[in-house]
Amino acid sequence: AQTVTQSQPEMSVQEAETVTLSCTYDTSESDYYLFWYKQPPSRQMILVIRQEAYKQQNATENRFSVNFQKAAKSFSLKISDSQLGDAAMYFCAYRSGGTNDMRFGAGTRLTVKP
Amino acid sequence: NAGVTQTPKFQVLKTGQSMTLQCAQDMNHNSMYWYRQDPGMGLRLIYYSASEGTTDKGEVPNGYNVSRLNKREFSLRLESAAPSQTSVYFCASISGGSSNQPQHFGDGTRLSIL
Repeated sequence: AQTVTQSQPEMSVQEAETVTLSCTYDTSESDYYLFWYKQPPSRQMILVIRQEAYKQQNATENRFSVNFQKAAKSFSLKISDSQLGDAAMYFCAYRSGGTNDMRFGAGTRLTVKP
Repeated sequence: NAGVTQTPKFQVLKTGQSMTLQCAQDMNHNSMYWYRQDPGMGLRLIYYSASEGTTDKGEVPNGYNVSRLNKREFSLRLESAAPSQTSVYFCASISGGSSNQPQHFGDGTRLSIL
């Protein structure tokens, strides 16, 4: 089964600075999708960004971008111009294109300092 | 705009009691999922249903059963609750197929087993 690893349980960043959250995954599949979700204290799961494995171009969504290294099975999230509202748990997730099985990493708690 | 609805939102059980968590989605999605979230462990997949009439085990299926009642509903049953099953449970759904569509999550059920 696929596994997703987030090696940073906690990260902190100064407001307006940039931070990168790491994620690696293990798979033998060629068809899959990768996601970053944000979970604030409200427990709601909010999609941040998504990446298709067949696309070489890194996805971007405003201040959020990814560095997708397919050969290294790495999928890091970069948050630019960090804001206080970015403070949350961030989860990396993998979904199989064939079975729709979906797995999450253990999460990284991001703190934003004013 | 109900999306994914979970009931109940909170529940306290005694060890050995049984309980069914309900999940319904109104987005005509094919695939539905049940996760549990424990501190420091992210979301772990219990069971999923890729389409109506099918169910598959995830990472942590022991102690649980599921039923895909119809396309809209996917229930999770604890036959004999144990303290180790104290957790927050999330239901999620996606349209299915090979797509980059993100999962839509319910608000979670906080379950405590004494």
